[in-house]
Amino acid sequence: EPEVTQTPSHQVTQMGQEVILRCVPISNHLYFYWYRQILGQKVEFLVSFYNNEISEKSEIFDDQFSVERPDGSNFTLKIRSTKLEDSAMYFCASSGGRLNTEAFFGQGTRLTVV
Amino acid sequence: GQQLNQSPQSMFIQEGEDVSMNCTSSSIFNTWLWYKQDPGEGPVLLIALYKAGELTSNGRLTAQFGITRKDSFLNISASIPSDVGIYFCAGPLGDKVIFGPGTSLSVIP
Repeated sequence: EPEVTQTPSHQVTQMGQEVILRCVPISNHLYFYWYRQILGQKVEFLVSFYNNEISEKSEIFDDQFSVERPDGSNFTLKIRSTKLEDSAMYFCASSGGRLNTEAFFGQGTRLTVV
Repeated sequence: GQQLNQSPQSMFIQEGEDVSMNCTSSSIFNTWLWYKQDPGEGPVLLIALYKAGELTSNGRLTAQFGITRKDSFLNISASIPSDVGIYFCAGPLGDKVIFGPGTSLSVIP
């Protein structure tokens, strides 16, 4: 069964460093997303990406964040100058159609900023 | 902004009992999604609902799309220990899917 895969599963970084989280969405999907989940809290939307550009982003997704689809399979989230409060689970998801229904999630990357 | 509300926030039940949880919104949704999240893992889609009044089952799970299109219900029959987790409702809003705060389910063997 097709699935969304994320790497790494865990990432520890020093405050102020840059991190890149990687995702391989389901191959025939058109919409790609990044979500964040701080420990014990709900899943929060960060950004959606369609047709090689950002289609929507939340207030959380400020200039510190950027996304890229460098080739036909990978979808990355870059976090510059990480802060302690960036520590969270980051989930990538993809969906097949314009209606954005049935988003399928990866297993997540646990980011710890120390 | 738009948000989804879920109740109850948490539940502790005996194995074998039925469970019911709901999700409400101040706005109309055209699709309702129910996800389950196990600890340390990503949300897994359980059921998708597309039509007001629709009742859909997936094994012991049954979900309904409320007639007003502002709510949805998820029922789990004959709960088992592996039902433990957080259940999120979600719905598409513009170019994103938004999530409720979740209902945490604990099953006592």
